[in-house]
Amino acid sequence: DAKTTQPPSMDCAEGRAANLPCNHSTISGNEYVYWYRQIHSQGPQYIIHGLKNNETNEMASLIITEDRKSSTLILPHATLRDTAVYYCIVRVSGNKLVFGAGTILRVKS
Amino acid sequence: EAQVTQNPRYLITVTGKKLTVTCSQNMNHEYMSWYRQDPGLGLRQIYYSMNVEVTDKGDVPEGYKVSRKEKRNFPLILESPSPNQTSLYFCASSLSMGARNTIYFGEGSWLTVV
Repeated sequence: DAKTTQPPSMDCAEGRAANLPCNHSTISGNEYVYWYRQIHSQGPQYIIHGLKNNETNEMASLIITEDRKSSTLILPHATLRDTAVYYCIVRVSGNKLVFGAGTILRVKS
Repeated sequence: EAQVTQNPRYLITVTGKKLTVTCSQNMNHEYMSWYRQDPGLGLRQIYYSMNVEVTDKGDVPEGYKVSRKEKRNFPLILESPSPNQTSLYFCASSLSMGARNTIYFGEGSWLTVV
């Protein structure tokens, strides 16, 4: 699986958009970009995933660059409850997710 | 509600006393797996199952057993727990192993072996 690089931590003001970057320069054509988050020590929560096109759901938007070497997760209106560790994962068909260290997002009032 | 349910959520046990952590999903998923999470090591896969009666080792299978007799259940068995198995455990499931199929996680089971 391709490796990902994320900043170790970010701060965001409550109510503002949180933009979390991820670099995956070695991604292959059939690898999906997945985002999960983990709040305290709860189970990782699925947020969104995509292959080539930008994606949006009720939680977030995923912007993937045209060359697919990087992506950005956007939480449009961050709240205090969005404080968590966010993981960017690239995944080819297979049986597991490989979690890196992730980005600690702190949403502040 | 679609979910992955683990029990117990919290357990303190003694070395050598067999225990089972149950996992059940209500989404008719074929694929299920177990992970453990330890500080500084992230989440590591223990075992996985592609379907009923089909299981295989993940990255850290030593000291664990699993079974998949029914589609919805995938229990994790510690035959003789040791303190190095003190960890936070997660069960996960997915429709199949295809990359477009999302993997969903349970809420976790804290296990302490003394």
